Amino acid sequence: SYVLTQPPSVSVAPGQTARITCGGNNIGSKSVHWYQQKPGQAPVLVVYDDSDRPSGIPERFSGSNSGNTATLTISRVEAGDEADYYCQVWDSSSDLYYVFGTGTKVTVL
Amino acid sequence: QITLKESGPTLVKPTQTLTLTCTFSGFSLSTSGVGVGWIRQPPGKALEWLALIYWDDDKRYSPSLKSRLTITKDTSKNQVVLTMTNMDPVDTATYYCARLLWFGDLNWFDPWGQGTLVTVSS
Repeated sequence: SYVLTQPPSVSVAPGQTARITCGGNNIGSKSVHWYQQKPGQAPVLVVYDDSDRPSGIPERFSGSNSGNTATLTISRVEAGDEADYYCQVWDSSSDLYYVFGTGTKVTVL
Repeated sequence: QITLKESGPTLVKPTQTLTLTCTFSGFSLSTSGVGVGWIRQPPGKALEWLALIYWDDDKRYSPSLKSRLTITKDTSKNQVVLTMTNMDPVDTATYYCARLLWFGDLNWFDPWGQGTLVTVSS
């Protein structure tokens, strides 16, 4: 089945840029979605279809996808961005249709 | 406003069957391109997709759990029910339901319910 690999943790100072990667075989050919999960809360969609933002999500959140790596970028990081982030794809070529990444903990220093 | 809420037991014994209900509002599961999925998260671990039911009653299951899962929908009640048989302590997790938006190759979950913690213990 398809596997999505994320770094376990990313640390960033307030005001700086955080980049969270999601690695998968030829992931650039798939549509990638990103979820933010704050402690004790349900996940929230922050980016869909590689780079689109749902209504209400700040422009500071952006995404890209090419080759074997998709990236979620958080610009001008704020303390409130501290959370776990998960990537997700739909893989029609395997039985595991809905695949989530391993998750990345973003810590704001 | 779209909302989903999970309900069911908080504690089940090993070998028992778990039944969870997702009650939603603000959308219809008879609308083309809509689905409801179940995703779980063991304490301190990553999200794991379990099952999904589409507007046309098509169903998909995680291959590793397929033999234990059943997902059904009651469109008139705006509910989706997940049953998982032969529960084990490793199934202890927070169980979420979420609306799926389907546009061919584009499928994502938004929004999610608040989740319900299910503990498996004797």
